[in-house]
Amino acid sequence: DAGVIQSPRHEVTEMGQEVTLRCKPISGHNSLFWYRQTMMRGLELLIYFNNNVPIDDSGMPEDRFSAKMPNASFSTLKIQPSEPRDSAVYFCASSLRGNLNTEAFFGQGTRLTVV
Amino acid sequence: AQSVSQHNHHVILSEAASLELGCNYSYGGTVNLFWYVQYPGQHLQLLLKYFSGDPLVKGIKGFEAEFIKSKFSFNLRKPSVQWSDTAEYFCAVYMEYGNKLVFGAGTILRVKS
Repeated sequence: DAGVIQSPRHEVTEMGQEVTLRCKPISGHNSLFWYRQTMMRGLELLIYFNNNVPIDDSGMPEDRFSAKMPNASFSTLKIQPSEPRDSAVYFCASSLRGNLNTEAFFGQGTRLTVV
Repeated sequence: AQSVSQHNHHVILSEAASLELGCNYSYGGTVNLFWYVQYPGQHLQLLLKYFSGDPLVKGIKGFEAEFIKSKFSFNLRKPSVQWSDTAEYFCAVYMEYGNKLVFGAGTILRVKS
């Protein structure tokens, strides 16, 4: 298995533009997590899905952020409109069992820069 | 608030030195504990985990960690580091109440050859 695949690896966009980050979890995993990593706040859980259903989105910073999981093999995290403070590395992770206390397998991340 | 503290943000060691990275959490309930490692340019990978049983947990690449419940700590250790251990290390604590997995801020380890 290729692991968790994220695209793009790097994204530079102008303030106000829409940004879409993509994630393909490991086949057979039924949980998917979106994390944001910044120097100031470390790794923060934004949202996670079990069986394609959002379970906890309390970490989503504001209405500009939205996440979808239309099927078991694909998820998107969208920021609209983007702001410079959204600049961070965004990680997607998946796990086999539907809970936060199981091992998560991480993608290589998307480094987002909003100028 | 429930939190995870990693004591040092940057650690620099020479090869063959011993390593101990601190991790403390503030939560009095049942926890599961993890250490993840992120090598330069790569994704986070699990080093080791503690769910129950022997509080001394052995992981990959010679790492181990000890859960001391009374101190709310889960420190990571390695007797002799190698240059290839240069990476960022994250402690993560799953807190049963609230179903939260909280990561520490990370410790960047640089091993000089």
